[in-house]
Amino acid sequence: DQQVKQNSPSLSVQEGRISILNCDYTNSMFDYFLWYKKYPAEGPTFLISISSIKDKNEDGRFTVFLNKSAKHLSLHIVPSQPGDSAVYFCAASPHGGGSNYKLTFGKGTLLTVNP
Amino acid sequence: DTGVSQDPRHKITKRGQNVTFRCDPISEHNRLYWYRQTLGQGPEFLTYFQNEAQLEKSRLLSDRFSAERPKGSFSTLEIQRTEQGDSAMYLCASSTNYGGRRVYEQYFGPGTRLTVT
Repeated sequence: DQQVKQNSPSLSVQEGRISILNCDYTNSMFDYFLWYKKYPAEGPTFLISISSIKDKNEDGRFTVFLNKSAKHLSLHIVPSQPGDSAVYFCAASPHGGGSNYKLTFGKGTLLTVNP
Repeated sequence: DTGVSQDPRHKITKRGQNVTFRCDPISEHNRLYWYRQTLGQGPEFLTYFQNEAQLEKSRLLSDRFSAERPKGSFSTLEIQRTEQGDSAMYLCASSTNYGGRRVYEQYFGPGTRLTVT
């Protein structure tokens, strides 16, 4: 079963507008959530993270929102730029100890920002 | 910090051959992870090292796979008797809790693309 779900395989937005990427999870043991950006033939690039004790984290144009009761998080990019076009992965990690902070990823959402 | 590096970037091999990949983590990152990514999927966890100790292996890691991190620095992932189903991108990531860093934030290398013919 998929513990981290990104239900939108693709999203297309206009340059300058807001991009909203969504992610749902099922495992209540997840404590940390991360977003990665991936270009073809490259490894994932870390963008932003959030701990379950927070509901919002902001870094420049990127903001992540976490709704623990709904087991839902979203990444907002504003304003969107053509260089943001990539596949975005949502990932989650349980708290340490035996979990070793290994990440569980969603299948990704392809974002296309049109000039 | 210099980033995570992986070598080779691409490997084409014939079924039944052995292959070995290398990962150099970010300097002083004591935690090292291997993941595998296939087309249309997100990366999937394979194994985890803390310093030189291999502390966790996924059930995805069959007996044909072995990983080492002999001195707690670089790591190698070997696949013996490769099969076509092993074709994937193999990703290495590292993290640390030293210096107040968030241990759950993993930084990935560029990956090794394996094609088994």
